[in-house]
Amino acid sequence: AQSVTQLDSHVSVSEGTPVLLRCNYSSSYSPSLFWYVQHPNKGLQLLLKYTSAATLVKGINGFEAEFKKSETSFHLTKPSAHMSDAAEYFCVVSNGQGGKLIFGQGTELSVKP
Amino acid sequence: GAGVSQSPRYKVTKRGQDVTLRCDPISSHATLYWYQQALGQGPEFLTYFNYEAQPDKSGLPSDRFSAERPEGSISTLTIQRTEQRDSAMYRCASSLEMNQPQHFGDGTRLSIL
Repeated sequence: AQSVTQLDSHVSVSEGTPVLLRCNYSSSYSPSLFWYVQHPNKGLQLLLKYTSAATLVKGINGFEAEFKKSETSFHLTKPSAHMSDAAEYFCVVSNGQGGKLIFGQGTELSVKP
Repeated sequence: GAGVSQSPRYKVTKRGQDVTLRCDPISSHATLYWYQQALGQGPEFLTYFNYEAQPDKSGLPSDRFSAERPEGSISTLTIQRTEQRDSAMYRCASSLEMNQPQHFGDGTRLSIL
């Protein structure tokens, strides 16, 4: 069975400082991994995806994530936070069978001025 | 259409009533997914369609839940004899084909009184 665990339910950073949102996955085979962002009362937006082509994945809005098989991790980072980054972030794994997505519990990112 | 459209955005109904939620996917997208998101949780898979076929409905919580996509485009999710525990955000997503990135609508927030 596949699953993802987001290690922090809430992260608070100051504007201009780095962002780190942590995610560990469990999968019996090579997974497809994603990060999605959800702004209040909006749909989920795909930030980036990993599908085994490269371990460092660059996404939109300056975010990137690194796939580390030895650590079963897929942490999301950004060098410098903006106020507009405040949202909920979901780490997601695909089961590869029809594309069903399995979501983590989410990490709420707050950005202080 | 330009994006995934869900209606209504909000639905309030009394316990015991039937409700039907609608999803209009991105044009030409073969695959359509339904997810249920409880407050403070990540979305959970309900079912998906590939064109008109419904290969997996393992996530539907009970036989009160059903979904259709008769012409391979618009889909409806129907909940019969609603219960308070059915209160959640219901999210629809579509993808060009199976195992491709999913594009989400803004969701329908369902409240059962």
